[in-house]
Amino acid sequence: AQKVTQAQTEISVVEKEDVTLDCVYETRDTTYYLFWYKQPPSGELVFLIRRNSFDEQNEISGRYSWNFQKSTSSFNFTITASQVVDSAVYFCALSGGANFGNEKLTFGTGTRLTIIP
Amino acid sequence: GAVVSQHPSRVICKSGTSVKIECRSLDFQATTMFWYRQFPKKSLMLMATSNEGSKATYEQGVEKDKFLINHASLTLSTLTVTSAHPEDSSFYICSAKGGGYSNQPQHFGDGTRLSIL
Repeated sequence: AQKVTQAQTEISVVEKEDVTLDCVYETRDTTYYLFWYKQPPSGELVFLIRRNSFDEQNEISGRYSWNFQKSTSSFNFTITASQVVDSAVYFCALSGGANFGNEKLTFGTGTRLTIIP
Repeated sequence: GAVVSQHPSRVICKSGTSVKIECRSLDFQATTMFWYRQFPKKSLMLMATSNEGSKATYEQGVEKDKFLINHASLTLSTLTVTSAHPEDSSFYICSAKGGGYSNQPQHFGDGTRLSIL
């Protein structure tokens, strides 16, 4: 069975601070994919990143960066110099390795991030 | 890029009404669509996997007769909540993936907020 744990239910930081959202996963698959999605108050899911289990390189995209540590089964997400527009619920998700991870997703419980102006 | 359209975005109706939600892939053929349900401030839970031209595969605990899924074409899947009751009030969101061995991540619709009075 697959499981995704986001231990941080809610985080509040002051604007311009850095913040890291934690994600720990469990799977028996040798090949799998990890995702991060952003869900603003309007409800839609915004795709942020997909990472396969064979690629442990950290990734940076603007103010966003991701740290994949297979040894600790973690896929943490850091926002640098946070902005009010970053306020949202962030979900970490896991999928089996078939078809580039385009199978059903197992979501974590989400972390509600509030950026205080 | 690829877009998934979900309609309606919001529904408010009386108890006992059946409600149909549409999920359309606008610029690609979606052989598989997924239906998720999200309770307020909770995570997304997969309800069923919908494959074009065949019966949907429901997750454990999801009532097939309550949540009817039809995937009659490569661009449209529908979820019908039959005889809806207040406990069915939730946020329903679909995702779609292309056919074949696609490298593109699955795309989510904007969700439907269902409120049963």
